[in-house]
Amino acid sequence: EPEVTQTPSHQVTQMGQEVILRCVPISNHLYFYWYRQILGQKVEFLVSFYNNEISEKSEIFDDQFSVERPDGSNFTLKIRSTKLEDSAMYFCASSDGTEYEQYFGPGTRLTVT
Amino acid sequence: GEDVEQSLFLSVREGDSSVINCTYTDSSSTYLYWYKQEPGAGLQLLTYIFSNMDMKQDQRLTVLLNKKDKHLSLRIADTQTGDSAIYFCAESGVTGGGNKLTFGTGTQLKVEL
Repeated sequence: EPEVTQTPSHQVTQMGQEVILRCVPISNHLYFYWYRQILGQKVEFLVSFYNNEISEKSEIFDDQFSVERPDGSNFTLKIRSTKLEDSAMYFCASSDGTEYEQYFGPGTRLTVT
Repeated sequence: GEDVEQSLFLSVREGDSSVINCTYTDSSSTYLYWYKQEPGAGLQLLTYIFSNMDMKQDQRLTVLLNKKDKHLSLRIADTQTGDSAIYFCAESGVTGGGNKLTFGTGTQLKVEL
């Protein structure tokens, strides 16, 4: 069964450093998403991406964040200068747009020290 | 903005029924979902219901929707230890495929022998 994969599973970085979180969505999917979950809090929408551009973003997704689909298989989330409050689990999801399900990856736990 | 609320914790005995409740605020919610998250894993879609439905049954799962009260519930019949997980209620506005999901806080279900 096809699945969304994410790497790394855990990333530790120092405050102010840049991080790139990587996702491989399901191959025939067209819509891509990033969500995050700060420990003990809700899963929050960050951004959706379709047809090589951002289709929607939340207030959290400020200028420090960017997304890219550098090739036909990867979807990345970059945080330019990490803050302590960026520590969270980051989930990638994808969908083909015709079904009612977004398929989620296992997440990347980002720890900013 | 949209808001989705759930109780944080539920404990049941194996073999009993579990009922997890959720309330939401967005009257334009079109699809409502239940996701399951096991430790270290991503979010797995369990079931969804379209807003013009009152009930949906899928094997051991029954979803009830009271649109007037904006109340959604998930009933798990004959709860097993493997059902222990965090259950998230979520809603989306138009379709699930291309729209962001707004999640609740998650309900931790603990199944005791």
